[in-house]
Amino acid sequence: KAGVTQTPRYLIKTRGQQVTLSCSPISGHRSVSWYQQTPGQGLQFLFEYFSETQRNKGNFPGRFSGRQFSNSRSEMNVSTLELGDSALYLCASAQQGMHTEAFFGQGTRLTVV
Amino acid sequence: QQQVKQSPQSLIVQKGGISIINCAYENTAFDYFPWYQQFPGKGPALLIAIRPDVSEKKEGRFTISFNKSAKQFSLHIMDSQPGDSATYFCAAQNYGGSQGNLIFGKGTKLSVKP
Repeated sequence: KAGVTQTPRYLIKTRGQQVTLSCSPISGHRSVSWYQQTPGQGLQFLFEYFSETQRNKGNFPGRFSGRQFSNSRSEMNVSTLELGDSALYLCASAQQGMHTEAFFGQGTRLTVV
Repeated sequence: QQQVKQSPQSLIVQKGGISIINCAYENTAFDYFPWYQQFPGKGPALLIAIRPDVSEKKEGRFTISFNKSAKQFSLHIMDSQPGDSATYFCAAQNYGGSQGNLIFGKGTKLSVKP
């Protein structure tokens, strides 16, 4: 059974640009959550999608957005990139929602210069 | 603010020793407490998890101890091996609630010396 797949693995962007990250959950999983990991703040919850609907959102500015498609694949978008957005962005999938065990992908390492 | 406090920040243990990582939480609505293991360049992997209706759960060399009244839980790694060297994160979740995202501790970097 394939795990959670995140693409791309690495990205370098310039301040002010926007970026789109992709996540393919484990087959059969309908929930996708996104987390930001930085050395200073650790792992912080961004948002969760379940059956194409955003069910929960963390405390991040509106520049961070996401969506989920009918096949459960999810994308997150960050607009007007700032240096502080440099982080490892992790996607986690779960079968029924956040209320079941979450499995993480390897993440996308975003560097903003 | 929901918080999970984890200590120590880093830990060095000799091969064969016991590694102990502690976490404390504030929100009594949390009812699911997983531990994740993360190797460099990888995403966190679920290691072991506990619900508050039990005080201890053991899986192989890994044991979670849970103290509901103190709102604390800990991970014990018995017979620590160099391959256990990784960053460990505790987390808490309101499993049955509407706001069920994982709240993570800041992590513990474990180094097991041969």
